[in-house]
Amino acid sequence: AQKVTQAQTEISVVEKEDVTLDCVYETRDTTYYLFWYKQPPSGELVFLIRRNSFDEQNEISGRYSWNFQKSTSSFNFTITASQVVDSAVYFCALSGWAGANSKLTFGKGITLSVRP
Amino acid sequence: EAQVTQNPRYLITVTGKKLTVTCSQNMNHEYMSWYRQDPGLGLRQIYYSMNVEVTDKGDVPEGYKVSRKEKRNFPLILESPSPNQTSLYFCASSGGILTGELFFGEGSRLTVL
Repeated sequence: AQKVTQAQTEISVVEKEDVTLDCVYETRDTTYYLFWYKQPPSGELVFLIRRNSFDEQNEISGRYSWNFQKSTSSFNFTITASQVVDSAVYFCALSGWAGANSKLTFGKGITLSVRP
Repeated sequence: EAQVTQNPRYLITVTGKKLTVTCSQNMNHEYMSWYRQDPGLGLRQIYYSMNVEVTDKGDVPEGYKVSRKEKRNFPLILESPSPNQTSLYFCASSGGILTGELFFGEGSRLTVL
């Protein structure tokens, strides 16, 4: 069985602060995929990133960066210089690569509030 | 425009009255899935489908049925809804779970009285 743990439930920061959202996963697969999704107050779910288990390179996209560490089974997400528009619920998710393992398991989400 | 369309967006119904939430995608995606979102529980997968006529249970399939007779449609059926199925439901599709992005519908808020 696969599992995603987002231990932080709510985080509140002041604009321009950096913030890291933690994600820890469990899986017995050697090939798997990790995702981050954003759900702003309007309710839609927005894809942010996918990472496969063979690629441990960190990724940066503007103010967003992701740190994937297989040794600790973590896939953390950092927002640099946070903005009010970053306020949202952020979900980390995990899937296997084929067959019954293709189901996507989400964490419970982290509610990020960025105050002006 | 590439999209996943769910209907209805909002529904209030009563216990035991069968209902269907439709989901349609126009991207020729093979993979489709249903999730429910509840406060404090995140998104939980109900059913998924890898292709036409291929469906599998997710983590919380009890009380739900699905069918995949056509590639574009993946309806969610509640044969006898109960109040614990009050939730926000999302349909999603992908070219394949391996291809990355899961495209979500706008969500259907269901209340069962």
